[in-house]
Amino acid sequence: DTGVSQDPRHKITKRGQNVTFRCDPISEHNRLYWYRQTLGQGPEFLTYFQNEAQLEKSRLLSDRFSAERPKGSFSTLEIQRTEQGDSAMYLCASSGGQNYGYTFGSGTRLTVV
Amino acid sequence: TQLLEQSPQFLSIQEGENLTVYCNSSSVFSSLQWYRQEPGEGPVLLVTVVTGGEVKKLKRLTFQFGDARKDSSLHITAAQPGDTGLYLCADGNNRLAFGKGNQVVVIP
Repeated sequence: DTGVSQDPRHKITKRGQNVTFRCDPISEHNRLYWYRQTLGQGPEFLTYFQNEAQLEKSRLLSDRFSAERPKGSFSTLEIQRTEQGDSAMYLCASSGGQNYGYTFGSGTRLTVV
Repeated sequence: TQLLEQSPQFLSIQEGENLTVYCNSSSVFSSLQWYRQEPGEGPVLLVTVVTGGEVKKLKRLTFQFGDARKDSSLHITAAQPGDTGLYLCADGNNRLAFGKGNQVVVIP
């Protein structure tokens, strides 16, 4: 297993466009998480899945954001009608359960121009 | 809402010196995890501590968990340039709440 993979690594988009990011977790991990990180801040929780069920969403996750994990394996995070404030690093992580260590991907750096 | 405060936010030291950074929580940790993050990469787990008063060592890094399970320290002995990075503490609950991090720069 090569760890958590995220694609793309970098994305530049024009304001108002939609973007979608993909995360492939470690195969035996049933939990998958999305975070957003801006410069000088720690990662902020967005949402998490246990298998295919989305169990929690942060208030940071506005209506323009949607995440899916259709078969309990990979996950996608879509941002509709992007705004400049959406520019950030979007991190995905997976784990085997609560209080287990989390394995992070390298992130997707989004720049909205 | 749990608040995690890390101090100092930024620390610059010479190679070979020792350093200590701190993490304090407004509530008891479910479990405490320390991560290190390098620019352009995701955080990498260093250690998980669960029991109050627990001390764990990872080569030159020593992690201490407070007796009340609301604070922790990370001590680095004889720092090396490879120790440069953003050190993040986090509560290993369902959503892994992070502090803002301790940015450490070790100058050769």
